[in-house]
Amino acid sequence: DAKTTQPTSMDCAEGRAANLPCNHSTISGNEYVYWYRQIHSQGPQYIIHGLKNNETNEMASLIITEDRKSSTLILPHATLRDTAVYYCIVRVFETSGSRLTFGEGTQLTVNP
Amino acid sequence: NAGVMQNPRHLVRRRGQEARLRCSPMKGHSHVYWYRQLPEEGLKFMVYLQKENIIDESGMPKERFSAEFPKEGPSILRIQQVVRGDSAAYFCASSRYIRTTNEKLFFGSGTQLSVL
Repeated sequence: DAKTTQPTSMDCAEGRAANLPCNHSTISGNEYVYWYRQIHSQGPQYIIHGLKNNETNEMASLIITEDRKSSTLILPHATLRDTAVYYCIVRVFETSGSRLTFGEGTQLTVNP
Repeated sequence: NAGVMQNPRHLVRRRGQEARLRCSPMKGHSHVYWYRQLPEEGLKFMVYLQKENIIDESGMPKERFSAEFPKEGPSILRIQQVVRGDSAAYFCASSRYIRTTNEKLFFGSGTQLSVL
C-alpha cells in the first residue's frame, strides 16, 4: 500500500469543524483512500473512503485533491466523542488479500 | 445485522497456558483478518483467512500462533504457551470479498489478552 503521512496530533474545539490532512504522494490510479478511527481501546471504525471524487456520508466528508496526492477528512461539527486516533490508509487490491495497513494516525482531541 | 463478534472480551492466562480467541464475522462475510495491538502501539496485521484457507499469514509469529476459519463456526486465533509479551488487544475484521479495492473491513470490539 502507498505510504501516507499524517500529523501526529491535532486539537479542535467542540462544535467546530475538524479538518484532518493526509499526504499520499505516491498513490497510484487504482488505489482508494480510506479513513478509519479508533476510539480508545475499541475496534477501528470505518468512516469513509473515496477514489477521486469528494465523498460525504453521515459521519464525515472526504476531500481529495485533483492530483490525488493528498486528502482531507472533515468532521463538520466535532463532539467530545470524536476524540480518537484517525487513520488515513491508501489501499490497493492484492491477489493475496485486501488487508488494511495502519500507520501511526492522527490523535484528534476535541476540547470543550 | 449483527456486527463482527469477538469473544471473550477479556481473557486472562498464566504463562505457559493456551489462549483461544474467537471471531464470528458479519453475516454474509467470508473473509476474516486478525490484527494485534500491543500497548501504546499501532495495529499490526497478523493473518488473513477465507473459509478453510489461510491466504496470508505474513504477520503471524512463526511459533506458538495459529489461526483457522473452518467451514462451520467462528475463526479461531490460538496462542500456545503464552508469554507476557503476548499481552495485547487482538482485533478481528471481516469483509465480503476481495476482488476490489472498494471493499470495507468491519472490525470487532477486540479481545484483551492479559498474561500473568
